[in-house]
Amino acid sequence: QKEVEQNSGPLSVPEGAIASLNCTYSDRGSQSFFWYRQYSGKSPELIMFIYSNGDKEDGRFTAQLNKASQYVSLLIRDSQPSDSATYLCAVWGGGSQGNLIFGKGTKLSVKP
Amino acid sequence: EAGVAQSPRYKIIEKRQSVAFWCNPISGHATLYWYQQILGQGPKLLIQFQNNGVVDDSQLPKDRFSAERLKGVDSTLKIQPAKLEDSAVYLCASSPRGGNTGELFFGEGSRLTVL
Repeated sequence: QKEVEQNSGPLSVPEGAIASLNCTYSDRGSQSFFWYRQYSGKSPELIMFIYSNGDKEDGRFTAQLNKASQYVSLLIRDSQPSDSATYLCAVWGGGSQGNLIFGKGTKLSVKP
Repeated sequence: EAGVAQSPRYKIIEKRQSVAFWCNPISGHATLYWYQQILGQGPKLLIQFQNNGVVDDSQLPKDRFSAERLKGVDSTLKIQPAKLEDSAVYLCASSPRGGNTGELFFGEGSRLTVL
């Protein structure tokens, strides 16, 4: 059974700080990795994806991948109250007809 | 571009009753997914369609759940009979490509409460 593990939180950070969200996965064959944001009562929306080891930056968001350690993280710089949401880590199972496996999500709260 | 449409948004039923959810994906998206999201958990895949064929239904409780995607466009997910543990949000998602991509576009979901 392929698994994606996340700390459910809540993770609380002050406005302007860096929020660090972490995720581990069990399947070494996993090829691509995603971060979805889900506001309370809303559906998930894709915010970042990463395929290769290292860092990928997009605005205030940085995704980090370490395939050897089977570890993915998301850093949010200059956190804003509007970043308060649940962040879902998702792993693509691989193959031409694979599918996404989601973690349980980490709830982030950014305090003004 | 219109997003993924789902209906109904909310449904309350008694256990052992039946319910059906409808999804219309983004135009041109070949791949359609139904996910179940129980409160406090991440989405769990129930079934994946590529056009009108089933790609993966390994986690679909087939004794009570069924799904179809006629003509490779709209899809319907049915639960009969419902159990208390089926209370969840049922999310439909579509993807423009079927292979090696996790870029899914989700609808707003259908929230089911089973009493």
